[in-house]
Amino acid sequence: NAGVTQTPKFQVLKTGQSMTLQCAQDMNHNSMYWYRQDPGMGLRLIYYSASEGTTDKGEVPNGYNVSRLNKREFSLRLESAAPSQTSVYFCASSEYEGANYGYTFGSGTRLTVV
Amino acid sequence: AQSVAQPEDQVNVAEGNPLTVKCTYSVSGNPYLFWYVQYPNRGLQFLLKYITGDNLVKGSYGFEAEFNKSQTSFHLKKPSALVSDSALYFCAVRDIGDSWGKFQFGAGTQVVVTP
Repeated sequence: NAGVTQTPKFQVLKTGQSMTLQCAQDMNHNSMYWYRQDPGMGLRLIYYSASEGTTDKGEVPNGYNVSRLNKREFSLRLESAAPSQTSVYFCASSEYEGANYGYTFGSGTRLTVV
Repeated sequence: AQSVAQPEDQVNVAEGNPLTVKCTYSVSGNPYLFWYVQYPNRGLQFLLKYITGDNLVKGSYGFEAEFNKSQTSFHLKKPSALVSDSALYFCAVRDIGDSWGKFQFGAGTQVVVTP
């Protein structure tokens, strides 16, 4: 009963370093999402994938790239990390885009860029 | 365009007292409305949703929410708060008519329940 699994849970990067956040879901969901959570700003959508083979920008895509590797996996890459990218990152999935079931969230990755 | 507002950054309540977390929304058409709860170092967990039907929706852990179309509100309530209800609560909205739309999340309300 794993749901949405994110790795790593914590990460500290130096400015300019790169890294990839991994996300996998085992619910056979079609749509997947990456959000960042910052105090007082709620959740902001970075990128999403409505279905396997497609990705689209969300509200705050600058500085990020994504890959929908297969139906299960959706990764988020920071090519050159900046302190402004210090945040908690959440991956989520839904049965399909527009479904009324809401999202299932992972437990998050807490990223600090120094 | 759609938006959601949670006017209170934090709500403080004594254990056993009623708890209300406010949410107002704006959509072009009719809304899907959700409440999520986030415990420390955890992801968001689904509490309840309004799609259509009865305006009073009952969800997990004794929570309920009332959809009020005229006031464009979807306030979360619990008759008797527990210390374990202390968490961050998010309201989210999507326009039913927008098949490709994403959920818009509020900024969150921190609930602190004191013994």
